[in-house]
Amino acid sequence: GENVEQHPSTLSVQEGDSAVIKCTYSDSASNYFPWYKQELGKGPQLIIDIRSNVGEKKDQRIAVTLNKTAKHFSLHITETQPEDSAVYFCAARSYNNNDMRFGAGTRLTVKP
Amino acid sequence: DTAVSQTPKYLVTQMGNDKSIKCEQNLGHDTMYWYKQDSKKFLKIMFSYNNKELIINETVPNRFSPKSPDKAHLNLHINSLELGDSAVYFCASSLGRSGSYEQYFGPGTRLTVT
Repeated sequence: GENVEQHPSTLSVQEGDSAVIKCTYSDSASNYFPWYKQELGKGPQLIIDIRSNVGEKKDQRIAVTLNKTAKHFSLHITETQPEDSAVYFCAARSYNNNDMRFGAGTRLTVKP
Repeated sequence: DTAVSQTPKYLVTQMGNDKSIKCEQNLGHDTMYWYKQDSKKFLKIMFSYNNKELIINETVPNRFSPKSPDKAHLNLHINSLELGDSAVYFCASSLGRSGSYEQYFGPGTRLTVT
């Protein structure tokens, strides 16, 4: 089955700096890679996703890159703000599989 | 309007008790899920239902029994609660069972077993 690894487990940056979170996956059939943001006391919320037919996707300050050959994908947050502080999860899912596997999460702290 | 709702938000109970957590989605989605998030924040899928039919059943003790009375509801019943069941349980839903559909999560139910 799919195995998703996520690094780092904690990340602290200064406001205005960039943050990068990296994930690797094992199942070459995986073709959907969402990123979720979980704030304290809330459920995970999708912030951006990418499908395997695309190498990069951007939405304002957030971007995701995918390297299918190396089986890794990354989340990039530019111009970080204190409200970006949360736990971020990557996930991977195969087109023919209902089972989505999550990474272990990255706790991002943005210091004002 | 809340898309995916869960009740209760907090549940404190003693070992050996039986409890239920309810989940409802008003998105018209066909597929619903239960996830368990442990104290280290690790999210693991437990069950998935598509149109009231069980399609994923991970290695979960049979003390956990999901029930889907209709496609808008997926309830989780837990018998003989154990200390290790303490966690946050998230319900989620997606438009369909295909791998590329976004999952929407509920706010979670924090279960504490004493």
